[in-house]
Amino acid sequence: SQKIEQNSEALNIQEGKTATLTCNYTNYSPAYLQWYRQDPGRGPVFLLLIRENEKEKRKERLKVTFDTTLKQSLFHITASQPADSATYLCARPSSGSARQLTFGSGTQLTVLP
Amino acid sequence: DTGVSQNPRHKITKRGQNVTFRCDPISEHNRLYWYRQTLGQGPEFLTYFQNEAQLEKSRLLSDRFSAERPKGSFSTLEIQRTEQGDSAMYLCASSHTGTEDEKLFFGSGTQLSVL
Repeated sequence: SQKIEQNSEALNIQEGKTATLTCNYTNYSPAYLQWYRQDPGRGPVFLLLIRENEKEKRKERLKVTFDTTLKQSLFHITASQPADSATYLCARPSSGSARQLTFGSGTQLTVLP
Repeated sequence: DTGVSQNPRHKITKRGQNVTFRCDPISEHNRLYWYRQTLGQGPEFLTYFQNEAQLEKSRLLSDRFSAERPKGSFSTLEIQRTEQGDSAMYLCASSHTGTEDEKLFFGSGTQLSVL
């Protein structure tokens, strides 16, 4: 099966610190990984996509890395704020279809003031 | 940009009843997806349309589920003879063919509760 595993169901950090979320995948290396943010009662919102030939990608306070040797992606939020509190989802395309995304179960981040 | 719109936001039904959900994608998007999400889990793929053609269906989509996109614009997802295990958030997403077509825009979902 094509699994996506995200570290710890919940992560609490202090405001101003850097949050680091982990996404590990099994089997084949996907062409890309995506990260989404989901707030309670809402649909996921796309944040970043990183391709297998990219080691790192940044967007404002967000940074994503992709290590095909470790089969892992790390998602960092620097200078975290309480407004960053949400569930963050990692996703990969299915081996059988680029149109099907397989999502991890998410990491619930709480930034404490 | 009006975003992806889903109706209703919430639906409570009794076991055995049929339910239908509607999704209006972003107007210029030709790809439309349905996902299902249960509490504490990530979304699971159900089906995908390109224009009006239903190109892929997950094995999660039993014969009680049917989806349509008759004119390549809005889509409906129908569940017949609902079961308690169908209780979940049903998410619709759309995307645009092009350089960033992997990026999905999700609606706020329809929360289904089967009593």
